[in-house]
Amino acid sequence: AQSVTQLDSQVPVFEEAPVELRCNYSSSVSVYLFWYVQYPNQGLQLLLKYLSGSTLVKGINGFEAEFNKSQTSFHLRKPSVHISDTAEYFCAVSQWNNDMRFGAGTRLTVKP
Amino acid sequence: SQTIHQWPATLVQPVGSPLSLECTVEGTSNPNLYWYRQAAGRGLQLLFYSVGIGQISSEVPQNLSASRPQDRQFILSSKKLLLSDSGFYLCAWSVLRGRYEQYFGPGTRLTVT
Repeated sequence: AQSVTQLDSQVPVFEEAPVELRCNYSSSVSVYLFWYVQYPNQGLQLLLKYLSGSTLVKGINGFEAEFNKSQTSFHLRKPSVHISDTAEYFCAVSQWNNDMRFGAGTRLTVKP
Repeated sequence: SQTIHQWPATLVQPVGSPLSLECTVEGTSNPNLYWYRQAAGRGLQLLFYSVGIGQISSEVPQNLSASRPQDRQFILSSKKLLLSDSGFYLCAWSVLRGRYEQYFGPGTRLTVT
């Protein structure tokens, strides 16, 4: 079965700085990859997804992620963060006809 | 467009009391439905999923149960709550298992006292 590891539980960063949230997955077959964002006491919102095709995926709120099959990674990046980006971010992996598995989450804190 | 509702938004229940959380989806037919639990500071744990009316699969054995009485309704229940049942419960739907993203409801914050 597939699994996901988010390498950083917390990432503090200053406003307008770049950020990278790291995600590695393990799977023996083709996977589909997702990043979600969760604001306090809310549900998860899809940021972006990789199903196939171009390995660089652009999402909402200026985020992007790159699928790297050789390194089994799907890191999330943003060139300049805002205070409003402070939230919990979840990486998820799924396979055809199989359930989605989530990482433990990375708490991004953007400081002024 | 599709929307997903959960209620109640918050709930405080004593140990040993029953539980019923409801989730409904609008704007789609025959969705796959999921219940997740999110403990404080932790990731999401899949509790149940359903591919159709009356079809429930359990991921984790526990004192919770789920039912799907209608195509777009998913209910999470317990006969007797435990302290360890406290958490943030999220309902989600998807078109198909695996390939497609899941869409999440706003969640229910359950505190068992």
